[in-house]
Amino acid sequence: AQSVAQPEDQVNVAEGNPLTVKCTYSVSGNPYLFWYVQYPNRGLQFLLKYITGDNLVKGSYGFEAEFNKSQTSFHLKKPSALVSDSALYFCAVRDRPRDDKIIFGKGTRLHILP
Amino acid sequence: DSGVTQTPKHLITATGQRVTLRCSPRSGDLSVYWYQQSLDQGLQFLIQYYNGEERAKGNILERFSAQQFPDLHSELNLSSLELGDSALYFCASSVAQGLGNTIYFGEGSWLTVV
Repeated sequence: AQSVAQPEDQVNVAEGNPLTVKCTYSVSGNPYLFWYVQYPNRGLQFLLKYITGDNLVKGSYGFEAEFNKSQTSFHLKKPSALVSDSALYFCAVRDRPRDDKIIFGKGTRLHILP
Repeated sequence: DSGVTQTPKHLITATGQRVTLRCSPRSGDLSVYWYQQSLDQGLQFLIQYYNGEERAKGNILERFSAQQFPDLHSELNLSSLELGDSALYFCASSVAQGLGNTIYFGEGSWLTVV
């Protein structure tokens, strides 16, 4: 069965610095990977996804993610963090054609320090 | 605004009671997913429907049931409620099945069992 791990419960970054939120996955076939963001008392918002093609995927709000098949990772990145990026970030994965559910990681809380 | 509508936004009920959560997917979306988010369990997949039929099942308790109606809206029924059922329940939708399809989340229904 597919699974996804976010090894950090919380990441603190100073405003203006680059940020990385880590995600590793385990699938039996080809991975389909997603990042979502959740602001307080809100639903999850889609940021970006990897299906196939370029390993560097660009998404909303200046975020991007790098797919690394050999390391089974899909880390979320942003070159320059904003205080407004502070939120809960979820990595998610799908891989089985007849099992359409998306499995989410436990989430990483990102704090951007002014 | 994702286009996924969930009602009610907040609900407080007593143990042993039954509640129904309602979801209207984005216009044109055939797939509906239900997730439960709690502090200790993270984001748990409950169940998925596609065009009225159940397609995937996750960690859904026997006390919970769901259905998708011909107009594609969905309801999640929670019965014999326990304190531990207090959580944020999300509905999400996507245009079709398929691994690359993005799912879009509603704002959630906060359930408090007292």
